[in-house]
Amino acid sequence: EPEVTQTPSHQVTQMGQEVILRCVPISNHLYFYWYRQILGQKVEFLVSFYNNEISEKSEIFDDQFSVERPDGSNFTLKIRSTKLEDSAMYFCASTGVGEETQYFGPGTRLLVL
Amino acid sequence: DAKTTQPNSMESNEEEPVHLPCNHSTISGTDYIHWYRQLPSQGPEYVIHGLTSNVNNRMASLAIAEDRKSSTLILHRATLRDAAVYYCIPMFSGGYNKLIFGAGTRLAVHP
Repeated sequence: EPEVTQTPSHQVTQMGQEVILRCVPISNHLYFYWYRQILGQKVEFLVSFYNNEISEKSEIFDDQFSVERPDGSNFTLKIRSTKLEDSAMYFCASTGVGEETQYFGPGTRLLVL
Repeated sequence: DAKTTQPNSMESNEEEPVHLPCNHSTISGTDYIHWYRQLPSQGPEYVIHGLTSNVNNRMASLAIAEDRKSSTLILHRATLRDAAVYYCIPMFSGGYNKLIFGAGTRLAVHP
């Protein structure tokens, strides 16, 4: 069964450093998302992406965040200058055209020290 | 966005049916009711969705109240693997909309 994959599974970084989280959505999907979940809290929407542009973003997704689909398979989330409060689990998801379901990856656990 | 209310936690014994309720009294007429679950240390996983009629799939059944202000996710025979947080999410038709997760219901399944 096709699945969304994410790398790395864990990332530790120093405050102020840039991180790039990578996702490979399901191959024929066209809608992509990033969500995050701070430990013990709700899953929060960050951004949705379609046709090489952002469809919607939340208040969390400020100028420190960016997304890109650099090639036909990867979808990345970049945090330019990480803060302690960026420590969370980051989930990528994708949806196919005409589908109702979002398929989530296993997540990247980001720890900012 | 429709507000949802779910019990914080529920418990079940293995092999028994589980009924997970959700109130969504402010749901709009065009919102589907989606259920996702999150197993420990995993990403959310789609369970089922519906608009007005009751729905069944291999994972669960979804019973939707006639006025659509509430719904119930039914796991017919709970297994240990069903221990997870279950989220009820009203969402406008078209899976390309964002999912708004609440706190969900944490289901514990006892052997």
